[in-house]
Amino acid sequence: GAGVSQTPSNKVTEKGKYVELRCDPISGHTALYWYRQSLGQGPEFLIYFQGTGAADDSGLPNDRFFAVRPEGSVSTLKIQRTERGDSAVYLCASSLLLAGTDTQYFGPGTRLTVL
Amino acid sequence: GESVGLHLPTLSVQEGDNSIINCAYSNSASDYFIWYKQESGKGPQFIIDIRSNMDKRQGQRVTVLLNKTVKHLSLQIAATQPGDSAVYFCAENDAGGTSYGKLTFGQGTILTVHP
Repeated sequence: GAGVSQTPSNKVTEKGKYVELRCDPISGHTALYWYRQSLGQGPEFLIYFQGTGAADDSGLPNDRFFAVRPEGSVSTLKIQRTERGDSAVYLCASSLLLAGTDTQYFGPGTRLTVL
Repeated sequence: GESVGLHLPTLSVQEGDNSIINCAYSNSASDYFIWYKQESGKGPQFIIDIRSNMDKRQGQRVTVLLNKTVKHLSLQIAATQPGDSAVYFCAENDAGGTSYGKLTFGQGTILTVHP
């Protein structure tokens, strides 16, 4: 079946610009997660949705970052006034939200480069 | 803060050998652990998971061992193949019955399999 998809696969922008990154989770998955991965590092948690609501946004680095999931399926990560330090691979994952063993399945990521 | 770390950043093995990748975790409240494989340019791929009420779990060619006494996790890959070459991450989830997401990843171990 179809896995998690993310668009675009690559995004190059200039410092100060606004960007949107899209995630299509696996159909039927209630939970959706955003992570950020810098070169040579493991993914770092940003935000997690249960349905339409953000259950935990403690990983968002500052108020330039915002994410939505209006219909409980597709999610968009929005970054305002991008900075060079925002350059990273942004990963999305989804899960069925099962107690105890909630396997998260990741998409291929969007590589964001801020010039 | 709590963290998950890996003892060895790189591991080189010959095809057909068994590989062991180690991981230390510091959050004693973590009760769910996962191993992911990440190939270049791709998102993390689920390999195997284990709950804290288990010491060992086996999959196809892979075994995960959990030692809660010393907070240590290992991934064993039997008969390693060139296609196993990738970065391997352990991740922990302090689910505790109340939260599901927010995986905390280690830095990763680069596994290289020589033909």
